[in-house]
Amino acid sequence: EVQLVESGGGLVQPGGSLRLSCAASGFTVSSNYMSWVRQAPGKGLEWVSVIYSGGSTYYADSVKGRFTISRDNSKNTLYLQMNSLRAEDTAVYYCAREGGRDAEYFQHWGQGTLVTVSS
Amino acid sequence: QSALTQPASVSGSPGQSITISCTGTSSDVGSYNLVSWYQQHPGKAPKLMIYEVSKRPSGVSNRFSGSKSGNTASLTISGLQAEDEADYYCCSYAGSRVFGGGTKLTVL
Repeated sequence: EVQLVESGGGLVQPGGSLRLSCAASGFTVSSNYMSWVRQAPGKGLEWVSVIYSGGSTYYADSVKGRFTISRDNSKNTLYLQMNSLRAEDTAVYYCAREGGRDAEYFQHWGQGTLVTVSS
Repeated sequence: QSALTQPASVSGSPGQSITISCTGTSSDVGSYNLVSWYQQHPGKAPKLMIYEVSKRPSGVSNRFSGSKSGNTASLTISGLQAEDEADYYCCSYAGSRVFGGGTKLTVL
């Protein structure tokens, strides 16, 4: 059974940093396309970043230069390093497993972790 | 990349059918057969309902169907049931990934 469990969310001051983790089971993170998607309180879904099985990474313009997606193959875990955080980054962050090349849709989702950026 | 356009809300009575539209451009919805739809109940994670425009994942009711014409994709739910009440989001591949703003479905 595929499972994704996010952790690492919390309250952080503007300008601060936070690292989110997404522990996967039932499949191999490094063999899949993995994304982060966020949802601000009461708002819609926003794609944040993707890492392909080959290691290429891509980011939404709103986080480019501030966020870094990565993975640890030995831990079968996906990460999102978030720096220079702003109030508008406040959201529930979901990790999601995609279908792969030519199948860029979100097959499985974690339960999400809440990040609050506030002084 | 601009968000795809969805109606803010739709409603229907039990047993009826409803359709939610998702309008993009020739750079996203119109260029790729990679439109997907997600159902989200309050406080829950999204769930994949339709992928590649019209395919249903295993376990999703055949009351859910998808289609596309030009730059507009559509999700149709037939035989509405109370448990269908939720938010629905479309998404398209466009080099990156772009979501619609979401549609709140109310079952009257």
